[in-house]
Amino acid sequence: KAGVTQTPRYLIKTRGQQVTLSCSPISGHRSVSWYQQTPGQGLQFLFEYFSETQRNKGNFPGRFSGRQFSNSRSEMNVSTLELGDSALYLCASSLVEEGTGELFFGEGSRLTVL
Amino acid sequence: AQKITQTQPGMFVQEKEAVTLDCTYDTSDQSYGLFWYKQPSSGEMIFLIYQGSYDEQNATEGRYSLNFQKARKSANLVISASQLGDSAMYFCAMREGPGRRALTFGSGTRLQVQP
Repeated sequence: KAGVTQTPRYLIKTRGQQVTLSCSPISGHRSVSWYQQTPGQGLQFLFEYFSETQRNKGNFPGRFSGRQFSNSRSEMNVSTLELGDSALYLCASSLVEEGTGELFFGEGSRLTVL
Repeated sequence: AQKITQTQPGMFVQEKEAVTLDCTYDTSDQSYGLFWYKQPSSGEMIFLIYQGSYDEQNATEGRYSLNFQKARKSANLVISASQLGDSAMYFCAMREGPGRRALTFGSGTRLQVQP
């Protein structure tokens, strides 16, 4: 079956702009979480959605937001972009019912802020 | 304090040899899970192996095994018979407590397999 799909794969923005990233989970997966990966801070949890509800949120400013739709697809938005927002944004989906709760990751959206 | 510590920024191993990647963790939860992921240059995080805190036996998945020492709070990944395609970043991660989905990742180890 198809894996986690993230779009766009690459994008370039300038400071002050906003960006929306999209994630389509594996069919049947209802949990979607987002992570930011930077060389300096490594992989950091942003937020997690399940059945259109945000269940957990990491330690990020309010400029970072997200949502999940009824078909489990998720979007994250970053407003008023800063240079430090340049990162690989990874989306992961999981079947909450599974014992191991394995997260399946997409290939990420690489954002460059100029 | 760091919740997940990977002390080896980089490792070299000869093809067909075994290699151990270190991971120590810190948690006060009794129920937690430990994961290892591989990240090739493409960026995708590939799940390798999982160990639950209540699992008495070390997890194994093909050439991957997890050396789980609960008292020492370590969860080292052992890759047997290394292959050139194993060259990648390897991340140890932990999920604490029941019902929580968020993973805390270590800083990673870059493994290079040499022919």
